[in-house]
Amino acid sequence: AQSVTQLGSHVSVSEGALVLLRCNYSSSVPPYLFWYVQYPNQGLQLLLKYTSAATLVKGINGFEAEFKKSETSFHLTKPSAHMSDAAEYFCAVSYYGGSQGNLIFGKGTKLSVKP
Amino acid sequence: DAGITQSPRHKVTETGTPVTLRCHQTENHRYMYWYRQDPGHGLRLIHYSYGVKDTDKGEVSDGYSVSRSKTEDFLLTLESATSSQTSVYFCAISESVGGRSYEQYFGPGTRLTVT
Repeated sequence: AQSVTQLGSHVSVSEGALVLLRCNYSSSVPPYLFWYVQYPNQGLQLLLKYTSAATLVKGINGFEAEFKKSETSFHLTKPSAHMSDAAEYFCAVSYYGGSQGNLIFGKGTKLSVKP
Repeated sequence: DAGITQSPRHKVTETGTPVTLRCHQTENHRYMYWYRQDPGHGLRLIHYSYGVKDTDKGEVSDGYSVSRSKTEDFLLTLESATSSQTSVYFCAISESVGGRSYEQYFGPGTRLTVT
């Protein structure tokens, strides 16, 4: 069965430091992969997506992610954290099949940014 | 932002009462989804729709029913609310390209408390 694993439910970085949020997927068919961000008391907002084009994907707010098939990973990075990046981040995978391309979500990683 | 609204935004209800949540979209997207979000569980799919009057169950459908009589509206009903259904509920929409849906766009959420 398809699944998504996000390593670390909480990640804390200092302002200006590298942000690295990990996501590994399990899929028997080529996946589409997504990162979403959720700020407190809001819905999810799409950060970036991989849809089988370039393996390095750039998103909004300076985030990017690299699709590595050999490692079944889609880690999210940002070179320099900002206080406004504090939020919860969700990795998701879409697969084609009987469920009409439904998204499977990881359990989320809460990012804290220290001044 | 995708045109998705949810109503009500907050609701407190008593155990055993019926509750209906509404999702309304102005994007004319084919697919609509209901999720619930609980700490430590990420987002879990309750039901989804792939067209008017076409719906199917998700991962956690027990105790919930849905209806979609118009493209723009997707209703989620809790026939007899229980405390375990206290959660934040999100609606999402998606379009299909080449038979495979792409990214989903989320509404602002409904916070439901069952006492």
